Amino acid sequence: DAKTTQPNSMESNEEEPVHLPCNHSTISGTDYIHWYRQLPSQGPEYVIHGLTSNVNNRMASLAIAEDRKSSTLILHRATLRDAAVYYCILRISNFGNEKLTFGTGTRLTIIP
Amino acid sequence: DSGVTQTPKHLITATGQRVTLRCSPRSGDLSVYWYQQSLDQGLQFLIQYYNGEERAKGNILERFSAQQFPDLHSELNLSSLELGDSALYFCASSVDPGGGETQYFGPGTRLLVL
Repeated sequence: DAKTTQPNSMESNEEEPVHLPCNHSTISGTDYIHWYRQLPSQGPEYVIHGLTSNVNNRMASLAIAEDRKSSTLILHRATLRDAAVYYCILRISNFGNEKLTFGTGTRLTIIP
Repeated sequence: DSGVTQTPKHLITATGQRVTLRCSPRSGDLSVYWYQQSLDQGLQFLIQYYNGEERAKGNILERFSAQQFPDLHSELNLSSLELGDSALYFCASSVDPGGGETQYFGPGTRLLVL
């Protein structure tokens, strides 16, 4: 599986935007970029995913570099409920290999 | 609430024992995944079933086994338990396999082996 690199931890002030970076220099053309987060004492939760173009949903935005070797998850206005571990994951789009390979993720702390 | 249910929430047992963890996927989801989360190994994929058939295997020990039943619920059986098996076990489901598909995770079963 292609590998991702994320900072171990980040802090942000409440109600400010947060940019969570992810490097994936060995990404292949068929790898989707997925983001999941895990709140304390809960299972992982899907946040967003994309292939080549930037994506927006009600939770966040995903900005993908033109060469696809990096991406950034953007939380537009962080709240205390966004404190979690955020995982950037690459997934191949072929049958028989649909597992999620979690790295260590980025632990996001929100400062009130 | 993801729609995926797992029972029991907590399980305390002794070394050498056998336990069964149960997962009910979201309505309509055919694919079930099992993951283990321990402090030293992080979140690791164990096994995947699709519509009753095993589709992929990860780092699952031979002492562990799983199955998916005709009603699509799944069970993970852990036997000859060791202290190191203490972990959170998550089940996830998706509509069907595919790299773009979202996986929905249950709340997990916390297993403590004493």
